[in-house]
Amino acid sequence: DSGVTQTPKHLITATGQRVTLRCSPRSGDLSVYWYQQSLDQGLQFLIQYYNGEERAKGNILERFSAQQFPDLHSELNLSSLELGDSALYFCASSPTGTLNTEAFFGQGTRLTVV
Amino acid sequence: AQSVTQLGSHVSVSEGALVLLRCNYSSSVPPYLFWYVQYPNQGLQLLLKYTSAATLVKGINGFEAEFKKSETSFHLTKPSAHMSDAAEYFCAVSAYLSGSARQLTFGSGTQLTVLP
Repeated sequence: DSGVTQTPKHLITATGQRVTLRCSPRSGDLSVYWYQQSLDQGLQFLIQYYNGEERAKGNILERFSAQQFPDLHSELNLSSLELGDSALYFCASSPTGTLNTEAFFGQGTRLTVV
Repeated sequence: AQSVTQLGSHVSVSEGALVLLRCNYSSSVPPYLFWYVQYPNQGLQLLLKYTSAATLVKGINGFEAEFKKSETSFHLTKPSAHMSDAAEYFCAVSAYLSGSARQLTFGSGTQLTVLP
C-alpha cells in the first residue's frame, strides 16, 4: 500500500459527459501529480500541484483541469469526454515540489468512455 | 529535454534464468532514475532508484540496476527469475521539464513473461 488513495477505481460514462477523479496523497506529501496511461500513448504526465498551487503542466488537454485543496487532496476534472479519453488515470504524490526522490502512486482510476 | 528508451516491449525468460531489462535515457542535467513495476490492475510500485549516490543500486525482490553515465544506461537485472516477477516494468527519469521542478518521464514499458 503506497498510502495514495484514488477514487473511484472504475468509472464508465458516455461521450460528452464530465467526470471528477479524486486523489488523497500520502500523509505529509505536498505534491500531487496526475498521469494518464493508455495503450497508444503510454504513461503521460498531465499536471502537478504543490501545496495548493499549480507547479507544472504536461500533456494536459484544455478539456481537463485539476485543483488541489487546502487539505492537499486533489481532483482531476475531465469534461466533454471522448472515446479516446478512455484510460487509466494515476495520481502520485511526493514530499516536495521537485522530484528529487521517488513518487508514490495510487492504484489508479480506470475510465471507460462509451 | 529528457527521454527514456526501453529496448524490447516484451521479454520472456525461463524461471531461474537471468532477467535483463534495458533502459537508456537522455537528460540535459544529472538525472535521477527509477524502475517501477506494475502488476495487472495495480498501480506502479517502486523497485529501486538512483539519485546520484552509489551507481549500483539494489531494490526490492532481488532486483538491482547499475547507472552507467558513459553509456547513458540504467539496465535492470535479477539473477534468477521467479514466476511472481511476471509484470510490466517501467524505467523513468526525473529531470527538469519546466521551470525549477523535476518531473518524471517514463519509458514505454517492458512486459516480462516468466516461463515455467
